[in-house]
Amino acid sequence: SQQGEEDPQALSIQEGENATMNCSYKTSINNLQWYRQNSGRGLVHLILIRSNEREKHSGRLRVTLDTSKKSSSLLITASRAADTASYFCATDAGRGATNKLIFGTGTLLAVQP
Amino acid sequence: GAVVSQHPSRVICKSGTSVKIECRSLDFQATTMFWYRQFPKQSLMLMATSNEGSKATYEQGVEKDKFLINHASLTLSTLTVTSAHPEDSSFYICSASPWVAGFQRETQYFGPGTRLLVL
Repeated sequence: SQQGEEDPQALSIQEGENATMNCSYKTSINNLQWYRQNSGRGLVHLILIRSNEREKHSGRLRVTLDTSKKSSSLLITASRAADTASYFCATDAGRGATNKLIFGTGTLLAVQP
Repeated sequence: GAVVSQHPSRVICKSGTSVKIECRSLDFQATTMFWYRQFPKQSLMLMATSNEGSKATYEQGVEKDKFLINHASLTLSTLTVTSAHPEDSSFYICSASPWVAGFQRETQYFGPGTRLLVL
């Protein structure tokens, strides 16, 4: 399977703490994206980092990418109860304009109030 | 922002029947849409790439005669689960990305999903 792996599978923290999730993938990529999914709902795009970028910020989110190790991390700072959700990384390795995404296994984040 | 809708949001059917799920891009055109399946507590698995005006491209292990995809217009793709069985019960999600100024955006926008339960 080409599916990427994420760890931890589940993470429980207190409000205000930081949460770090890691993603490893198997093939070379054009970009890596992080998505959030609330239980039983669709996915919301969080942030995209291109293969020639090493770090990116968006609000309380910080993403790093290490293409030599084929890995990425997502850091959520000052977490809130509303951040409770599943987080998925997805890699775009397609040539041309197909934008086919391969998703990681996901991390279930629970932020305790 | 770009919005993708799905219909129905939830469907229950008897084993052996066929179920059609619609995916629409509401405020942009999409020559390509993607269909995913998600089992409980698992990740999304790409099933197929839906191409407007041509045949869909299926991922390895996905039966094209079982999961019929039609992309008849630039804003609509349909997935039909034919002769559904209980093991087809799952959460089906579609996605699409808009073309802007001649380039397809890298970000994909996902529909809210359709929960299928086959009895």
